[in-house]
Formats: sequence, structure tokens, C-alpha cells
Amino acid sequence: DAGVIQSPRHEVTEMGQEVTLRCKPISGHDYLFWYRQTMMRGLELLIYFNNNVPIDDSGMPEDRFSAKMPNASFSTLKIQPSEPRDSAVYFCASSLSRYSDTQYFGPGTRLTVL
Amino acid sequence: GENVEQHPSTLSVQEGDSAVIKCTYSDSASNYFPWYKQELGKGPQLIIDIRSNVGEKKDQRIAVTLNKTAKHFSLHITETQPEDSAVYFCAASNEPGTYKYIFGTGTRLKVLA
Repeated sequence: DAGVIQSPRHEVTEMGQEVTLRCKPISGHDYLFWYRQTMMRGLELLIYFNNNVPIDDSGMPEDRFSAKMPNASFSTLKIQPSEPRDSAVYFCASSLSRYSDTQYFGPGTRLTVL
Repeated sequence: GENVEQHPSTLSVQEGDSAVIKCTYSDSASNYFPWYKQELGKGPQLIIDIRSNVGEKKDQRIAVTLNKTAKHFSLHITETQPEDSAVYFCAASNEPGTYKYIFGTGTRLKVLA
């Protein structure tokens, strides 16, 4: 099992640019979560999907953020336009609801917006 | 909504000693409480969890206790080792079927050799 895969691992961009973060959940998992981690706010849930459908996006900070899950094996989190305050580590996690509540986290993408 | 408080924010212990991290939650409907360990540069990894119908759970050197009346739960690590040094997060889930967590703010544990 390869675990949750995220790409890129590091992203440095300039303010105003579009950023796309990618996630491949564990095969067979039906829940997918996007989190943001900062020193000030800790781990925040941004949005989560069940069977590719967005269920709760109340944590998405503003309209500059959007997330999609076109199929069961791929999700993206897009920031357009990016701002310095978006700098954080973004984690994707997945869960298999049939057997467990456990969320399995990917290695994260460290985003720096200059 | 649910709120999870975690203490202490940092904890230093000598190798071989025990470490205890405590969390409190606000919503009495919360029913699932996982603990995650995050090492530098990595994503959080589940180390132990407990459900509201259980008071204590143990896995080798790690144990978790839950007091539903007081709405708090604790992580206990015995015989600490340098590799236990990491940031530990507690979480609570109170929406059955949604698997939505509210995380604590984290505890940075340092085990001194």
C-alpha cells in the first residue's frame, strides 16, 4: 500500500500566481480530506469529500480556494490568486468509512507564497 | 461546535520517564478520539484511538484514557525513548458517519537522552 500521495512536496510561488496541489488517496478509500497546518492555527479542515462529492467546505477560507475530486483516485486543491498568508503545509488524508474512522495522512505540501 | 483544548504545548522528559498529554472537549456527543504523532517534515500518523464506549485502551508503551463525565482524554507514554520525540495531536469526532475531526493544538514532546 503506497499510502496517500501528495504532489508537489514543496511549492514556492509569487503572490498572485495560481497554485494547484494534488492528492491521490489510498485505493478504495471513500473519504478524502484537505487540511491546512500553520503555527498560528494548527490543523484546520478545509473541505472533505465522500465518494467524490464535496460534503462540507465550510473550512475553505475564501473564494480564492477551490477543490475538486473528478474521480476516486485524484483530488486537487487550487488557490487562485495566491497570497503570502496562504503559506502553510497542506495535507490530504483519506479514510475507509466501511471499517474505520481512521484518517491516513499524506506527507503534505509545503507552500510558500512570496 | 466542538472545541478541543490540549495541554501542555511543550513537554520535556528524561528518557525512560513517562509522559502525559491531556485534552478536553466541549461536545458531549463526541464519540471517537484519535491521537496522532507528527514527526518533522511528515504527515500526522495515528498511534492510538478510543471510542466513547471504552474507558481505556493500551498498545505496548502507549495508552489512552477517556473520562466522558469530565469530557477529557489523555495520552500516556511509558518508558519514553528519544524516537518518541515529536508533536502529538489529539482529536475528537462527533459527527457519526462524517468522520470529521476537530484537532487539538498539539504538544511538542522532547525526550532527553
